[in-house]
Amino acid sequence: EIVLTQSPGTLSLSPGERATLSCRASQSFSSNYLAWYQQKPGQAPRLLIYGASSRATGIPDRFSGSGSGTDFTLTISRLEPEDFAVFYCQQYGSSPWTFGQGTKVEIK
Amino acid sequence: QVHLVQSGAEVKKPGASVKVSCKASGYTFSTYAISWVRQAPGQGLEWMGWISAYNGNTNYAQKFQGRVTMTADTSTSTAYMELRSLRSDDTAVYYCARFSAAAGPSYYYMDVWGKGTTVTVSS
Repeated sequence: EIVLTQSPGTLSLSPGERATLSCRASQSFSSNYLAWYQQKPGQAPRLLIYGASSRATGIPDRFSGSGSGTDFTLTISRLEPEDFAVFYCQQYGSSPWTFGQGTKVEIK
Repeated sequence: QVHLVQSGAEVKKPGASVKVSCKASGYTFSTYAISWVRQAPGQGLEWMGWISAYNGNTNYAQKFQGRVTMTADTSTSTAYMELRSLRSDDTAVYYCARFSAAAGPSYYYMDVWGKGTTVTVSS
């Protein structure tokens, strides 16, 4: 099973600042089959990024994904008030699919 | 508009079974697969498995093998997840989410999610 470790656990930032979230895999998996999801309290997760770097439909271009192999990054270029949430990475290249434990981005 | 509408909250006793439904609309049900993900209170996301609505193939996480059954009814565009021998640590919100299984693993990302079904296991 591929273990995904996200860091930091919590990121305290102000609106307008840049957020950089990390996701590290315990081993490489197929073709960067990595997704990022955003989850707000009481809501279902929302797909942001797939294939490590492709934005999902309707996702603003301030969200970007990068990385390959075992190291992946989600960047939010300028935080908007609605961006504060918990973010999860997930790999779908190897069964069982696994999620990281999440990074909470909170208002400083 | 693509939607996945899940059944309502359930309260079950330990040892019982629960069956959660997920009704799809706005797309051709049989061309996608449905994955199930759960989230215990205050915890992260846990993948349980998936079923292809195209051919009925399933892939369960080993943790749930023997205790979970996922089915899909193409006549009603509804997927089901049954979990048996419930324990208190099965208390969670259960989500269904669709992904495209027809074109290979590069499309296995979950792009539409249901709102979740809360299952509480308590004596």
